[in-house]
Amino acid sequence: NAGVMQNPRHLVRRRGQEARLRCSPMKGHSHVYWYRQLPEEGLKFMVYLQKENIIDESGMPKERFSAEFPKEGPSILRIQQVVRGDSAAYFCASSPRAPGSTEAFFGQGTRLTVV
Amino acid sequence: DQQVKQNSPSLSVQEGRISILNCDYTNSMFDYFLWYKKYPAEGPTFLISISSIKDKNEDGRFTVFLNKSAKHLSLHIVPSQPGDSAVYFCAASGSDGGSQGNLIFGKGTKLSVKP
Repeated sequence: NAGVMQNPRHLVRRRGQEARLRCSPMKGHSHVYWYRQLPEEGLKFMVYLQKENIIDESGMPKERFSAEFPKEGPSILRIQQVVRGDSAAYFCASSPRAPGSTEAFFGQGTRLTVV
Repeated sequence: DQQVKQNSPSLSVQEGRISILNCDYTNSMFDYFLWYKKYPAEGPTFLISISSIKDKNEDGRFTVFLNKSAKHLSLHIVPSQPGDSAVYFCAASGSDGGSQGNLIFGKGTKLSVKP
């Protein structure tokens, strides 16, 4: 049973380009979470999705950021018109049930560098 | 406003001794607590969890204690080993869904275990 798979592991984008980060949850997991870690900071919650639904996006910046988790395929975190401040490690996690009674399993992360 | 706080950014311990990592939370709706361990350039790895109906959970060298009245939990590692050197994150969630359904992380404590 493969773990949470994130790709790419490293992504370099120029300012103004779009970044697309992919996350394939563990088999049987229908709950996906995205977190961002800035240098020397903890993990900041961004968005929580369940298949085809956004459950909580309270941690997402209001502009340029969007997330989806389609019925088929991986969850995508999309950042439009990237800026230097978007440079960070982005982690995806998945769980078999809603939070509150189960742990979430994390992927290796995507390190985004905006130049 | 940080809902989960790890006030010690770093901790240094001698091999074989006990490591005690602390975590405080402010949201009384949290009822499930987790500890994750993270090595550089890797995703967080789940260590141990505790439900609010318990005050202690033990798994091998790792024990988590929960003091609900003080809104405080701690992770004890006995005996500490050099391989335990990593950043440890405390996380909390609630079972009532909504924004409390997400895993909220502290900023982490960097543990160094010296041989």
